[in-house]
Amino acid sequence: KAGVTQTPRYLIKTRGQQVTLSCSPISGHRSVSWYQQTPGQGLQFLFEYFSETQRNKGNFPGRFSGRQFSNSRSEMNVSTLELGDSALYLCASSTYGQGRDTGELFFGEGSRLTVL
Amino acid sequence: AQSVTQLDSQVPVFEEAPVELRCNYSSSVSVYLFWYVQYPNQGLQLLLKYLSGSTLVKGINGFEAEFNKSQTSFHLRKPSVHISDTAEYFCAVRRGSTLGRLYFGRGTQLTVWP
Repeated sequence: KAGVTQTPRYLIKTRGQQVTLSCSPISGHRSVSWYQQTPGQGLQFLFEYFSETQRNKGNFPGRFSGRQFSNSRSEMNVSTLELGDSALYLCASSTYGQGRDTGELFFGEGSRLTVL
Repeated sequence: AQSVTQLDSQVPVFEEAPVELRCNYSSSVSVYLFWYVQYPNQGLQLLLKYLSGSTLVKGINGFEAEFNKSQTSFHLRKPSVHISDTAEYFCAVRRGSTLGRLYFGRGTQLTVWP
């Protein structure tokens, strides 16, 4: 069974640009969440989707947005990039809400964004 | 708000020595507890989890952890470490009613020396 797939793995942008990151969950998982990882702030929760609906949102500015499609794939978008947005963005999927919750999140390898 | 404290940011040990990575959490509700490991330039891999039942849980790669409700702790242990265990370890908590969200500690960098 394939794991969580994130694309692209690495990307470089300049300040003011926007970026879209993609995440394909494990087959059969309908819950997808996103985390930002930086050396200074650690792992911070961005948002979570279940069946195309955002169920939970972290404390990030409106420049950070996301969505989930009917096939459970998810994208997150960051507009007007700032230097501080440089980070590893991790996507995770789970079976929460499907009556067979195993408890844990399964993480992808992340998309490393560098903003110059 | 949920908080998770990993008491040591760095733990250096020699190969074949035992190790304990400490984790405390704050919560007034039932929680699920996890330890994840992250190798350089990779995502997070689950080591073990506590959902309910026996307070001693065993995970992959010879790791185990003990859930102590009275002390709100979930310390990770391994009796004999290998150089390949060098990585960053994260303790995480999930509130039973929160849809999938994990609250992470700041991580502990375990470095195993030969």
